[in-house]
Amino acid sequence: GAVVSQHPSRVICKSGTSVKIECRSLDFQATTMFWYRQFPKKSLMLMATSNEGSKATYEQGVEKDKFLINHASLTLSTLTVTSAHPEDSSFYICSARESAVLQETQYFGPGTRLLVL
Amino acid sequence: SQQGEEDPQALSIQEGENATMNCSYKTSINNLQWYRQNSGRGLVHLILIRSNEREKHSGRLRVTLDTSKKSSSLLITASRAADTASYFCATPPGGTSYGKLTFGQGTILTVHP
Repeated sequence: GAVVSQHPSRVICKSGTSVKIECRSLDFQATTMFWYRQFPKKSLMLMATSNEGSKATYEQGVEKDKFLINHASLTLSTLTVTSAHPEDSSFYICSARESAVLQETQYFGPGTRLLVL
Repeated sequence: SQQGEEDPQALSIQEGENATMNCSYKTSINNLQWYRQNSGRGLVHLILIRSNEREKHSGRLRVTLDTSKKSSSLLITASRAADTASYFCATPPGGTSYGKLTFGQGTILTVHP
């Protein structure tokens, strides 16, 4: 089955530093990937839609300068949390949809837990 | 408006019992999907039901969809301790069959051995 990986699985950083999270589709191509954020015991909130070769589309209320998204290839999207602060601590999950078919379902990565001290 | 609200928020049952979770949504949909999330992990797709379907089965899972009430239910029969997880319903944007998903608040299911 289709697999999506994320790296790192968890990261602890100091306030003010930037953190990059990678999302990879391992055995399929994905022109579109999605980035979600999840707080403890809460649901997933869509942050942005990552489009290969073009700018990401951000959801209302999500700062695009704070959460930089780059989708440089058909198998890789990155989310960079710039100048991270403790309130950015969260669980970040990506998902990808296979490009070749009009597939209704998405494949999710295992998530990245970010803790900003 | 919140798309995909679920109840109960938490459900605790004994192994062997059935678990029913409900999801309501506000806008028209093309399909509704159920996902499972083990604690601290990513999501696993369980089942998709289209707007022209009323019921769908997959192993011990049974999903129903009532578009007139804008609601769906997920039934897990003969539950096992390994079914302990959070369950979410999710829908793509109204009128589309794929794309960004809006998730419900989720139901935390605990199955006691």
